[in-house]
Amino acid sequence: AQSVTQPDIHITVSEGASLELRCNYSYGATPYLFWYVQSPGQGLQLLLKYFSGDTLVQGIKGFEAEFKRSQSSFNLRKPSVHWSDAAEYFCAFLTTGNQFYFGTGTSLTVIP
Amino acid sequence: DGGITQSPKYLFRKEGQNVTLSCEQNLNHDAMYWYRQDPGQGLRLIYYSQIVNDFQKGDIAEGYSVSREKKESFPLTVTSAQKNPTAFYLCASSIGLTYGMNTEAFFGQGTRLTVV
Repeated sequence: AQSVTQPDIHITVSEGASLELRCNYSYGATPYLFWYVQSPGQGLQLLLKYFSGDTLVQGIKGFEAEFKRSQSSFNLRKPSVHWSDAAEYFCAFLTTGNQFYFGTGTSLTVIP
Repeated sequence: DGGITQSPKYLFRKEGQNVTLSCEQNLNHDAMYWYRQDPGQGLRLIYYSQIVNDFQKGDIAEGYSVSREKKESFPLTVTSAQKNPTAFYLCASSIGLTYGMNTEAFFGQGTRLTVV
């Protein structure tokens, strides 16, 4: 079965600290992978995406993610978190049937 | 500006009534999607359409219906058969997988439906 797992429902970090959000996927082929961010009551905004090539991808707002095929993971990182990063983060992949599958999300709280 | 417009932002309906949520895009995208979002459950796919006059059921299509008569429009009807319709609904579009690396989902701002 194809799925996306985000094991951390909620994470709290201090402003200026580093951040890593975990994402594991289950899919029969190498998927296209994405990270999206959502502010309360809003739609989703793309942070970054991986299709092929360099397994470390850079995104907007200082985020990066690393694709590890052996671990079926695509973890999101940021070296120094800002208060404005508080939001919900979703990992997703795209199937060959052109369907986007999303994880259950990780809610990030940033404390001053 | 190009984008996806969902309307209305908030919608209230009485139990047993059908209601239609609007989704319009001016990105010239082939594919369009409807997702339902509930707390702690992420986004679940209701219906998707790869091309005009064609659509497929997603994981939770029961109690919903869609149409795709125009490329830019993909309305979702929540019928009285949907047992728990109160949720946040998100519409998305993408250029289509045939475009390979340019494929990503663009989202509207969502419609919050409350059934009382």
